[in-house]
Amino acid sequence: DGGITQSPKYLFRKEGQNVTLSCEQNLNHDAMYWYRQDPGQGLRLIYYSQIVNDFQKGDIAEGYSVSREKKESFPLTVTSAQKNPTAFYLCASSNQGYDHSPLHFGNGTRLTVT
Amino acid sequence: SQQGEEDPQALSIQEGENATMNCSYKTSINNLQWYRQNSGRGLVHLILIRSNEREKHSGRLRVTLDTSKKSSSLLITASRAADTASYFCATVVNYGQNFVFGPGTRLSVLP
Repeated sequence: DGGITQSPKYLFRKEGQNVTLSCEQNLNHDAMYWYRQDPGQGLRLIYYSQIVNDFQKGDIAEGYSVSREKKESFPLTVTSAQKNPTAFYLCASSNQGYDHSPLHFGNGTRLTVT
Repeated sequence: SQQGEEDPQALSIQEGENATMNCSYKTSINNLQWYRQNSGRGLVHLILIRSNEREKHSGRLRVTLDTSKKSSSLLITASRAADTASYFCATVVNYGQNFVFGPGTRLSVLP
């Protein structure tokens, strides 16, 4: 079955540590996205990538970094520079070959930083 | 930048009733999409309506789009307890390069 896999489901880190969230897709989609969701709120775009080795900042990129070395993978690193990293992180992909392609989401990683 | 706004923020209905959620947006769009999120899970795409369409149906879902008012509505008919979830609208500009989500409507369907 095709889909998006995010791991781990829950992640706990101490303040000051960098942490990397994994996102893998086998849908052969060109575009991949990272969103942050805070309790009771909508999704805010962190980074997106339309093609391998290229990515663009979203609305809240400060304190985050990404890489896109393979089409299937789009890991997100939450650095110690992110002031309030505790949140639910969602990875998504879409087929940009079609004008009206929807987003396919993983099941998220809940990050808690203490 | 948040472009879509769902209304109401929360909705509680009895099983069997219809649920209507609204979405307003600010700029021109290519299409508008509705997503559902169960607690603690990722979002699931429900339905997409293009900017040149006015109404679309999918099973118990009916979506309308009024581009002159920059608004959309999602109607879920004959609701079930399993419909309990948060529902988000996403406006799409630049042909998929930018999906902008609203804060969502939390729907509770009581058995």
